[in-house]
Amino acid sequence: DTGVSQNPRHKITKRGQNVTFRCDPISEHNRLYWYRQTLGQGPEFLTYFQNEAQLEKSRLLSDRFSAERPKGSFSTLEIQRTEQGDSAMYLCASSSRRGPVYEQYFGPGTRLTVT
Amino acid sequence: AQTVTQSQPEMSVQEAETVTLSCTYDTSESDYYLFWYKQPPSRQMILVIRQEAYKQQNATENRFSVNFQKAAKSFSLKISDSQLGDAAMYFCVCLGGSNYKLTFGKGTLLTVNP
Repeated sequence: DTGVSQNPRHKITKRGQNVTFRCDPISEHNRLYWYRQTLGQGPEFLTYFQNEAQLEKSRLLSDRFSAERPKGSFSTLEIQRTEQGDSAMYLCASSSRRGPVYEQYFGPGTRLTVT
Repeated sequence: AQTVTQSQPEMSVQEAETVTLSCTYDTSESDYYLFWYKQPPSRQMILVIRQEAYKQQNATENRFSVNFQKAAKSFSLKISDSQLGDAAMYFCVCLGGSNYKLTFGKGTLLTVNP
């Protein structure tokens, strides 16, 4: 069990550019979540996948955001035409059934800075 | 839908002492779970302790214990024998609904003084 990994760990981009982040969940975890954490706040839910199906998207996820999880393994989160307000830590978490509770295991996050 | 409120933005404790972090929550779900997660500086989120709402007994994990008051919708975390490694941001978290998404409070920054 190598844990949840995310790449890159840091990304600096200019406003208007597109960026893509990758999350590799713990193997055999069927659920994968994306959260966004801005400075001084707790993480906020963006979207989640069960296997390859994207089952819910938050209203925070504007049309410039898209997430995929091909083959139910790793996931990517793309932000098009980045804005300064997109600067945040993007966290990925995965979970599987353990008893009656879904416990989510978090990756280290990707810190995005839009200049 | 869930909301989680942490009214203490910052707390400090002396090493080896005990500290309690407060949390209140609201949920429309009848079946839900509560967690405390810890986020050390520049490190990833770690689950500290969990509480199933249907259980009356308060959860305990080594030096960490909770006081779960379901009627009052209160869920506090007690850290006993505080250690320097306990210094972190602590988030109170509620999980409910069919998609099991987590709803976080704003966090409490805990400082442990030697």
